[in-house]
Amino acid sequence: SQTIHQWPATLVQPVGSPLSLECTVEGTSNPNLYWYRQAAGRGLQLLFYSVGIGQISSEVPQNLSASRPQDRQFILSSKKLLLSDSGFYLCAWSVLLGDTEAFFGQGTRLTVV
Amino acid sequence: GQQVMQIPQYQHVQEGEDFTTYCNSSTTLSNIQWYKQRPGGHPVFLIQLVKSGEVKKQKRLTFQFGEAKKNSSLHITATQTTDVGTYFCAGRGNYQLIWGAGTKLIIKP
Repeated sequence: SQTIHQWPATLVQPVGSPLSLECTVEGTSNPNLYWYRQAAGRGLQLLFYSVGIGQISSEVPQNLSASRPQDRQFILSSKKLLLSDSGFYLCAWSVLLGDTEAFFGQGTRLTVV
Repeated sequence: GQQVMQIPQYQHVQEGEDFTTYCNSSTTLSNIQWYKQRPGGHPVFLIQLVKSGEVKKQKRLTFQFGEAKKNSSLHITATQTTDVGTYFCAGRGNYQLIWGAGTKLIIKP
């Protein structure tokens, strides 16, 4: 069966520090991968999606970046965090882009202080 | 750009009362998905609707997709404490899912 792992679960980082969140999927090949951000009490904002290794599409311009170094690995990074980067970050995967259900990781609650 | 509006933002109900959330899209959707997010948790897929006018049921939950494939609703009959959470719709636009802002179901004490 397929599983998705996302870590860490919680993170407190100072303003200006770097960020690296990792997500891995097991049990499937060539998944579509997504990074979402959810502000407190709000909906999901799509940040990045990837249809294959090295292929990244950005939905919202910001100081975050994403990379997909391996088929089932998706990384969200920042060189310098801002206070506004605080939120709940969710990694997800799906078989087809938008046509099949998305499976979400447990999420990372990031607080920038 | 394409948008999916979801209302209401919150709904307070007594346990045993019904709950309904509505989604409306500015454009025709290929499909619409519904997710539930428990407090502190991650979204979990509930169902996908594809056909115009489609109605699907899961126990006390009834999902509808409008004839024009621009709107959808989720109705929960006789809410229980286990129904607490935020319900999201997500419609497939040109190539991606477009998410509604969610409706939070709150059971009054």
